[in-house]
Amino acid sequence: AQTVTQSQPEMSVQEAETVTLSCTYDTSESDYYLFWYKQPPSRQMILVIRQEAYKQQNATENRFSVNFQKAAKSFSLKISDSQLGDAAMYFCAAGTGTASKLTFGTGTRLQVTL
Amino acid sequence: SAVISQKPSRDICQRGTSLTIQCQVDSQVTMMFWYRQQPGQSLTLIATANQGSEATYESGFVIDKFPISRPNLTFSTLTVSNMSPEDSSIYLCSGGQPNYGYTFGSGTRLTVV
Repeated sequence: AQTVTQSQPEMSVQEAETVTLSCTYDTSESDYYLFWYKQPPSRQMILVIRQEAYKQQNATENRFSVNFQKAAKSFSLKISDSQLGDAAMYFCAAGTGTASKLTFGTGTRLQVTL
Repeated sequence: SAVISQKPSRDICQRGTSLTIQCQVDSQVTMMFWYRQQPGQSLTLIATANQGSEATYESGFVIDKFPISRPNLTFSTLTVSNMSPEDSSIYLCSGGQPNYGYTFGSGTRLTVV
């Protein structure tokens, strides 16, 4: 079984600043994937970024990047140049290559202030 | 990535009745899943919808209460049976492949009165 832990229930960032959301995970699998999803009040789950465990290079998608520390089982999300539209719940998730189902963390609510 | 249409978006149902939620994917996907999300909380996996065979349910969820169909690689339904107020929640379907990431439907907000 795998577990995903998000230790920050809420975070706040000023517009245009940078914020980092933390996530740790635990799995016995060697083949797995990690994801960050965003859920705005509309409740639509939006894939922000994904990382394959076998890749050492950290994934990047425009203003979003991850810091993947495999040995420490850490997978943090950095949002640069924060925008008001980034305000949402952010969920970290892990999935194994074989079972494929995702395990989600408890989420971090991000507020973006002017 | 795949686009998933989920309906209904919301419904208010009487206790003891059943509601069927549908998800249509715009392309064939290997894996489809059904989740429940209580307001302000994380997602809990109900079951994996397997094409052509019985769904695989997670601990605490049973087929009699949450029957699932998956007749092909683009469509699945979840029925919430014999509803009680405790079933009031958001239900989401998801599909895709782990190496590409999973797409979610827009969710169904269910209220049981």
